Amino acid sequence: EPEVTQTPSHQVTQMGQEVILRCVPISNHLYFYWYRQILGQKVEFLVSFYNNEISEKSEIFDDQFSVERPDGSNFTLKIRSTKLEDSAMYFCASSESSGNTDTQYFGPGTRLTVL
Amino acid sequence: QKEVEQDPGPLSVPEGAIVSLNCTYSNSAFQYFMWYRQYSRKGPELLMYTYSSGNKEDGRFTAQVDKSSKYISLFIRDSQPSDSATYLCAMTPVSGQNFVFGPGTRLSVLP
Repeated sequence: EPEVTQTPSHQVTQMGQEVILRCVPISNHLYFYWYRQILGQKVEFLVSFYNNEISEKSEIFDDQFSVERPDGSNFTLKIRSTKLEDSAMYFCASSESSGNTDTQYFGPGTRLTVL
Repeated sequence: QKEVEQDPGPLSVPEGAIVSLNCTYSNSAFQYFMWYRQYSRKGPELLMYTYSSGNKEDGRFTAQVDKSSKYISLFIRDSQPSDSATYLCAMTPVSGQNFVFGPGTRLSVLP
């Protein structure tokens, strides 16, 4: 069964450093998403991406964040200058083209620890 | 009022019990409703997906949506220890758009 994959599974970085989290969505999916989950808190939407551009973003997704689909398979989240409060699980998700039966499939997540 | 609320956990039941998990929401624009299961330190895994009001059954799982009451439920029959996880409801007004998640209910099924 096709699945969303994410790398690395765990990333440790120093405050102020840049990190890039990588995702490979399901191959025939066209919509891509990033969510985060701070330990013990709910899953929060960050950004959605379609047709090589951001379609929606939350207030969490400020200028420190960017997303890119550098090739036909990868979807990346970059945090330019990490802060302690960026420590969280980051989940990538993907979905097929929009329709009534569409929904999102999540990857296993990348645990980001900012020291 | 939070946009999506779930019954607080943790919820502990004996193996074989029927489990009822619930969410309420405030935004009447929500049309698509999902239930996800999340094991510790793993990504959410889609269990059930429903559109608008009504019931949907899949094996031991039944999802109910009552849009007039802004209330959704997930029932698990013959619960198993492997069902022990956090259950998240999620919803969106438009298919393919970002989801709003509930905070989750942690379920423990005791053998």
